[in-house]
Amino acid sequence: AQSVTQLDSQVPVFEEAPVELRCNYSSSVSVYLFWYVQYPNQGLQLLLKYLSGSTLVKGINGFEAEFNKSQTSFHLRKPSVHISDTAEYFCASLTGTASKLTFGTGTRLQVTL
Amino acid sequence: GAGVSQTPSNKVTEKGKYVELRCDPISGHTALYWYRQSLGQGPEFLIYFQGTGAADDSGLPNDRFFAVRPEGSVSTLKIQRTERGDSAVYLCASRVENTGELFFGEGSRLTVL
Repeated sequence: AQSVTQLDSQVPVFEEAPVELRCNYSSSVSVYLFWYVQYPNQGLQLLLKYLSGSTLVKGINGFEAEFNKSQTSFHLRKPSVHISDTAEYFCASLTGTASKLTFGTGTRLQVTL
Repeated sequence: GAGVSQTPSNKVTEKGKYVELRCDPISGHTALYWYRQSLGQGPEFLIYFQGTGAADDSGLPNDRFFAVRPEGSVSTLKIQRTERGDSAVYLCASRVENTGELFFGEGSRLTVL
């Protein structure tokens, strides 16, 4: 069965600092990976996705993630965060044999001045 | 509308009551998903429809939960004899088959008193 692990439940960071949100997945078959963001009292919004091809994926709002098959990771990065990036971030996986997304438990990014 | 629409946005009910939550997916999306998100957790899969039929209902927690999609568009999640533990945000998502990306609604927040 596929699973997604987000080790950091909360990540505090100062504005304009870089940030990395960690995600590890487990799957023995081909996998598609996603990062979703959830702002307070809003639905989930797709940040970026890896389906195939280049392992470095660029998304909206300046975020990017790198698919690393050997380390089974898909960490999310942003070189300089803004206050408006404060939100909950979810990593999710979809394997080639399943039709449902499996989510991690989420990482709360708290950006302060 | 252009996005996934869920109603009601908030529902407060008493223990033991029956509840229906509605989801109107993006037009043309054949796949529809229900997820449940408890406080501080990632979304948990409940059920997936492909067209009118439930292709995977392995996430439904017990037989008090049921979902239908009679015409392959709008779906209703039905919860009988609600319990306090059913309190959560119920998320609906839809996608065009085989693209991998799910589009989420803003959710229906259910509170069982």
